[in-house]
Amino acid sequence: RKEVEQDPGPFNVPEGATVAFNCTYSNSASQSFFWYRQDCRKEPKLLMSVYSSGNEDGRFTAQLNRASQYISLLIRDSKLSDSATYLCVVNDRDDKIIFGKGTRLHILP
Amino acid sequence: GAVVSQHPSWVICKSGTSVKIECRSLDFQATTMFWYRQFPKQSLMLMATSNEGSKATYEQGVEKDKFLINHASLTLSTLTVTSAHPEDSSFYICSAKPPYGGRAFFGQGTRLTVV
Repeated sequence: RKEVEQDPGPFNVPEGATVAFNCTYSNSASQSFFWYRQDCRKEPKLLMSVYSSGNEDGRFTAQLNRASQYISLLIRDSKLSDSATYLCVVNDRDDKIIFGKGTRLHILP
Repeated sequence: GAVVSQHPSWVICKSGTSVKIECRSLDFQATTMFWYRQFPKQSLMLMATSNEGSKATYEQGVEKDKFLINHASLTLSTLTVTSAHPEDSSFYICSAKPPYGGRAFFGQGTRLTVV
């Protein structure tokens, strides 16, 4: 089982729709979790941290389920500018940062 | 917020030459930095973990003699691609975590093209 797994997509979603991504991780000792956004040929940028209690930032909601070892990202009222690759990032006990392969999102006008 | 600076942002070199990429943490000391590589349309892959004052830890399949990592100070790690070949052309990016915890910060990345 890969350390961090994501559906690569692409997800083609009409503008204004709601879209959700999941990510699973294999190391139950993983300590912290993040969603990053990466635009083409750019460095990844933090979108939001993920907590067991859930984390909401505007149109974005992230959730962590430790028992099932998955995290999710929900984007509501999607905008054209949301088109990007969304990377699930897991920080294990040794501080190693593991990236998922990313999920490509295309918002369609 | 914390800043990690990576230099150069892009470089073109001839096959067989060596290229050095620098990664600096500007406002915090990083005992550990990470080096990643991303080929087109693929994910970021961890190459190695750079530890200040000790040898880097390389991921499986990454040649330590080809990708030399030096973490000589608490704010600087360097990655040297030795005897570069066209297949080494990629996007290289570093990250560092502040000692007070939390998320990692990324450098701007270096696009290496070997011709």
